[in-house]
Amino acid sequence: ETGVTQSPTHLIKTRGQQVTLRCSSQSGHNTVSWYQQALGQGPQFIFQYYREEENGRGNFPPRFSGLQFPNYSSELNVNALELDDSALYLCASARTSGSRGTQYFGPGTRLTVL
Amino acid sequence: DQQVKQNSPSLSVQEGRISILNCDYTNSMFDYFLWYKKYPAEGPTFLISISSIKDKNEDGRFTVFLNKSAKHLSLHIVPSQPGDSAVYFCAATAGNGGAQKLVFGQGTRLTINP
Repeated sequence: ETGVTQSPTHLIKTRGQQVTLRCSSQSGHNTVSWYQQALGQGPQFIFQYYREEENGRGNFPPRFSGLQFPNYSSELNVNALELDDSALYLCASARTSGSRGTQYFGPGTRLTVL
Repeated sequence: DQQVKQNSPSLSVQEGRISILNCDYTNSMFDYFLWYKKYPAEGPTFLISISSIKDKNEDGRFTVFLNKSAKHLSLHIVPSQPGDSAVYFCAATAGNGGAQKLVFGQGTRLTINP
């Protein structure tokens, strides 16, 4: 069984640019969530996708957007990058969108905004 | 508004002894709790979970205790091993039928000394 994978591993962008991060969910999982982890903090929920629809969103501005594809892989897009967007971005997949669906995380993408 | 708090940023324990990691929460709607372990350059790894209808759950060397009246949970690791050295996050979620949004604490860095 393949786990959650994310690409790229590291990324450096400049303020104002746009970025796309990618995630492949674990086999058999139809739910993908994205989290932002700033240095020294716990992950913060950005949004969740279930069967290609956004199924909940955290306290992040609209310039954070996403997509889920028919194979349940997902993208996180961030427009107009700001310095504070520098963080580790984690993708997690689950077998179900319900509260009993344990989320399994990928290794993350480290984004640096200069 | 920190709904999940891990008040100890770090903990150092002798190999073979018990490690106890603590977590407090404020939101009484949380009904499912999870512990994740994170090594550097990896995503969080699911360890163990507990539903609010239970007060204890065991899995090998790991036991999670939940005290709903105190809004407190703890993770016990017995016996502690060097490979347990990592950052531990507790997370909570509310089963409201919508997206499973995990709310994380800030993490506790556990160091197991030989």
